[in-house]
Amino acid sequence: ELVLTQSPATLSLSPGERATLSCRASQSVSRYLAWYQQKPGQAPRLLIYDASSRATGIPDRFSGSGSGTDFTLTISSLEPEDFAVYYCQQRSDWPSFGGGTKVEIK
Amino acid sequence: QVQLVQSGAEVKKPGASVKVSCKASGYTFSDYYIYWVRQAPGQGLEWMGLISPRGGISTSAQKFLDRVTMTRDTSTSTVFMELNSLRSEDTAVYYCARRGPSEYIDYWGQGSLVTVSS
Repeated sequence: ELVLTQSPATLSLSPGERATLSCRASQSVSRYLAWYQQKPGQAPRLLIYDASSRATGIPDRFSGSGSGTDFTLTISSLEPEDFAVYYCQQRSDWPSFGGGTKVEIK
Repeated sequence: QVQLVQSGAEVKKPGASVKVSCKASGYTFSDYYIYWVRQAPGQGLEWMGLISPRGGISTSAQKFLDRVTMTRDTSTSTVFMELNSLRSEDTAVYYCARRGPSEYIDYWGQGSLVTVSS
């Protein structure tokens, strides 16, 4: 079973700061990895797919990188609306999600 | 516009079954797989399975193989997910979601809360 491990579990930052979120796969997923944002009471929203491609309508402060087993989501300068939970998801095997990283206001 | 509209909240007793519906609109129903994903209270996302609306073929995650059935009705552009032998740990919000052209989820239903309690 392919496991995705996200770190840190919680990231405490201030608006305007840079956020760096990590997702590590238990085996290579090539570049078949996406990032989603979820706010309380809402369904997730696709941000990044295939490791580094931004989904439609996603601001360019969101960027993704990585391949193989190590991936990063970077938010260059946090806006108030970016405080949320972020999940990675792979499609190399049957789909699976990471456990999430909560980005909270410091 | 693409919409996935799910059925309402349910309360079930342990051992019972629940059937959640997901009505699609705004696109060609048969063109995109539908995923089922659940989220227990305060927890992360868990992929349950998928169905091809075109042929009705479905597959589910190993842990749900013997308890979940996914079907579709092409006449109403609706997919269904039935989960049997419910236990308290099945309490969750159940989402249907479209696997889009990128082969990731581009649209989600609003979620259906299923509560399992005696």
